[in-house]
Amino acid sequence: SQELEQSPQSLIVQEGKNLTINCTSSKTLYGLYWYKQKYGEGLIFLMMLQKGGEEKSHEKITAKLDEKKQQSSLHITASQPSHAGIYLCGADSGNTPLVFGKGTRLSVIA
Amino acid sequence: NAGVTQTPKFQVLKTGQSMTLQCAQDMNHNSMYWYRQDPGMGLRLIYYSASEGTTDKGEVPNGYNVSRLNKREFSLRLESAAPSQTSVYFCASSYKQGWPSYEQYFGPGTRLTVT
Repeated sequence: SQELEQSPQSLIVQEGKNLTINCTSSKTLYGLYWYKQKYGEGLIFLMMLQKGGEEKSHEKITAKLDEKKQQSSLHITASQPSHAGIYLCGADSGNTPLVFGKGTRLSVIA
Repeated sequence: NAGVTQTPKFQVLKTGQSMTLQCAQDMNHNSMYWYRQDPGMGLRLIYYSASEGTTDKGEVPNGYNVSRLNKREFSLRLESAAPSQTSVYFCASSYKQGWPSYEQYFGPGTRLTVT
């Protein structure tokens, strides 16, 4: 079965700093999804990547999928308190429902 | 549109009690899912329904049953609750299951405590 490893597990950054979260798969990814979860709430869909080398941006968040389609990174530029939360990557293996990583807990301090 | 709604939001059960978690979506999605989220374990799939009339086991189905009541509703039942089922439960839906894939939309969650 597919497994997703997220790193780091937690991250504390100062407001205004950039940061990167990684998601590595044990198998080739058909689709890679990034979600954000605010503490105590449900998951909010951020982006989906399907093609090797693909890159997508939404506001100050950029996600990339490597050429081999086994690793994705999520980059936040000039972090703000509103970026705080748990970021989860989810992988699509083609025929089975999404498998999720364990999440990266991001705190942004003033 | 309300998206994906779940009831109740909070529940406390005693060991051995039963209960049903309700989930409904108004996006005309074909596929629905139940996950549980535990500290350090991430999201784990309990059951899913790829289309109306079908259900399949996920990673952690033991102790749970599901019913796809119609296209909109997908319920999760705990027949005899155990402390190990203390968790946050999320329902999700997507246009369809399988390739090409579509993003899942999540409900707000149900926080369940079993004492």
